[in-house]
Amino acid sequence: GNSVTQMEGPVTLSEEAFLTINCTYTATGYPSLFWYVQYPGEGLQLLLKATKADDKGSNKGFEATYRKETTSFHLEKGSVQVSDSAVYFCALTVMNRDDKIIFGKGTRLHILP
Amino acid sequence: GAGVSQSPSNKVTEKGKDVELRCDPISGHTALYWYRQSLGQGLEFLIYFQGNSAPDKSGLPSDRFSAERTGGSVSTLTIQRTQQEDSAVYLCASSSDQRETQYFGPGTRLLVL
Repeated sequence: GNSVTQMEGPVTLSEEAFLTINCTYTATGYPSLFWYVQYPGEGLQLLLKATKADDKGSNKGFEATYRKETTSFHLEKGSVQVSDSAVYFCALTVMNRDDKIIFGKGTRLHILP
Repeated sequence: GAGVSQSPSNKVTEKGKDVELRCDPISGHTALYWYRQSLGQGLEFLIYFQGNSAPDKSGLPSDRFSAERTGGSVSTLTIQRTQQEDSAVYLCASSSDQRETQYFGPGTRLLVL
């Protein structure tokens, strides 16, 4: 079956540090991959996505590259800010129209000033 | 309408009572999802509607939980004989296709006393 595994949190970093949140997946077919973010007190929203191998999604300084060879979609940011503190969810969908989107368990990120 | 709306925003009920939670998806979106998010936890998938297909109910935690989607639009999640462990934020999301971006509602915060 399809699944998403992401690193467990919480992840605590100092401001301006480099961030990586690992995400790997198992999927039949050709998945589209997503990162969603949930800021404190807010609803989930899409951060970025990639729909085919080697695509790079980017938004707000975050990037993730769809790596088919390693079945990964790691989220990175070169210099984090306090305002990046949130919960990040990796997710996938596949080509089969009956398949639902699958979310990882989420990674809580704390950025210290 | 702009985005996904949910009502009520907050619900406090007594153990054993039934509750109904409503979701209004974005007009024209064929895919609709219900999730549950307990305090500090990730997303727990509950049920998925896609067009006129039979819903995927594989995430419903017990037979006290049910959901319907009338006319392919509004959805209602019903919890019968509520228990304290049902306390959580119930999130609804819709998308134009299950492979596309999900748009989340603000959630209904349910507290069972």
